[in-house]
Amino acid sequence: GEDVEQSLFLSVREGDSSVINCTYTDSSSTYLYWYKQEPGAGLQLLTYIFSNMDMKQDQRLTVLLNKKDKHLSLRIADTQTGDSAIYFCAELGGTGRRALTFGSGTRLQVQP
Amino acid sequence: GAGVSQSPSNKVTEKGKDVELRCDPISGHTALYWYRQSLGQGLEFLIYFQGNSAPDKSGLPSDRFSAERTGGSVSTLTIQRTQQEDSAVYLCASSLVAGGRNTGELFFGEGSRLTVL
Repeated sequence: GEDVEQSLFLSVREGDSSVINCTYTDSSSTYLYWYKQEPGAGLQLLTYIFSNMDMKQDQRLTVLLNKKDKHLSLRIADTQTGDSAIYFCAELGGTGRRALTFGSGTRLQVQP
Repeated sequence: GAGVSQSPSNKVTEKGKDVELRCDPISGHTALYWYRQSLGQGLEFLIYFQGNSAPDKSGLPSDRFSAERTGGSVSTLTIQRTQQEDSAVYLCASSLVAGGRNTGELFFGEGSRLTVL
């Protein structure tokens, strides 16, 4: 079945760039997503990319997709303490299940 | 309401009891999802509804788990004879299906935290 993997933890200093990586196995993935979960809150969609794109930029966020390697990354420029949260990578397969498969989440800690 | 609403927000129960968790999706959203988030784990897919039907129940961990959705709106997740390993945060999400194709933008509730003693 589909699998999505992420590293569990990332620590950066305020003002630095953060890069969160994700790999997935489903070659038929149509959309890939980054969700953010702040403490005690539900997940919120940050951004998504269609599988025929290799990059998407939205203000401080840059998503890179390497479809050949099934690798997705999220870069946050000028990371702020308010960016501290858990970031989930997710994919929507092109066949079968019409529900997102999520990774285990990367906890981003931003040091002042 | 403006967002996905889940109740109860917290539930503590004794092993062996049944529990019901409720999800009220965003008005007009036809797709509804249940996920489970255990400590240190990612989101585990449980079940997905399109309207009132559940095309994909493959994620339900055992026959103690069931879910229904009525009127294309509110959904209830029922766990019978709860076990300690059922302790988790149960997240509900809804999405607007556009043109018959689900683009996957999910709107999540804040979850129901279940603790089984």
